[in-house]
Amino acid sequence: DAKTTQPPSMDCAEGRAANLPCNHSTISGNEYVYWYRQIHSQGPQYIIHGLKNNETNEMASLIITEDRKSSTLILPHATLRDTAVYYCIVTGGYQKVTFGTGTKLQVIP
Amino acid sequence: EPEVTQTPSHQVTQMGQEVILRCVPISNHLYFYWYRQILGQKVEFLVSFYNNEISEKSEIFDDQFSVERPDGSNFTLKIRSTKLEDSAMYFCASEDWSSYNEQFFGPGTRLTVL
Repeated sequence: DAKTTQPPSMDCAEGRAANLPCNHSTISGNEYVYWYRQIHSQGPQYIIHGLKNNETNEMASLIITEDRKSSTLILPHATLRDTAVYYCIVTGGYQKVTFGTGTKLQVIP
Repeated sequence: EPEVTQTPSHQVTQMGQEVILRCVPISNHLYFYWYRQILGQKVEFLVSFYNNEISEKSEIFDDQFSVERPDGSNFTLKIRSTKLEDSAMYFCASEDWSSYNEQFFGPGTRLTVL
């Protein structure tokens, strides 16, 4: 699996958009970008994934650069419940998820 | 909404004892996983299971560990002789063939080895 680099922590004001960056310069052509999050020792939760096109679902948007070497997860209106560790993962399908240290997002009232 | 369930939520055991952690994956899912997370550390992959056999295992998953899908609904992780360093949160996950690595995780079992 390609390695990813994320900032260790970020703050975001409640109600504002949270933009979480991820670098994955060694991504290969058949690997997807996935985002998961873990809220305080709960089980990790899938958020979104994409290959090369931007994706949006009810939780978030994923913006992938044209060269696919980086991506940004956008939580459009962050709430206190979005405080969590966010993991950017690059892998193929039906495989283990290799978690790094992620970005600890703190949403501030 | 369907969810992965795990029992017990917390298991306390003595070193050297056997423990079985239980998981009920989402119905019709075909891929199953166990992960663990030692307090304050990363979530680590242990084993993946597909078509009634192990498809991949990590270095952590040594001979003390085994997995089983005994009845088509439950998915269990057995630790034969627990060690202090096995104390961790253990997460089960399942995946549908069509969801392409959208793994659904359970709430975890906190294992404490004394």
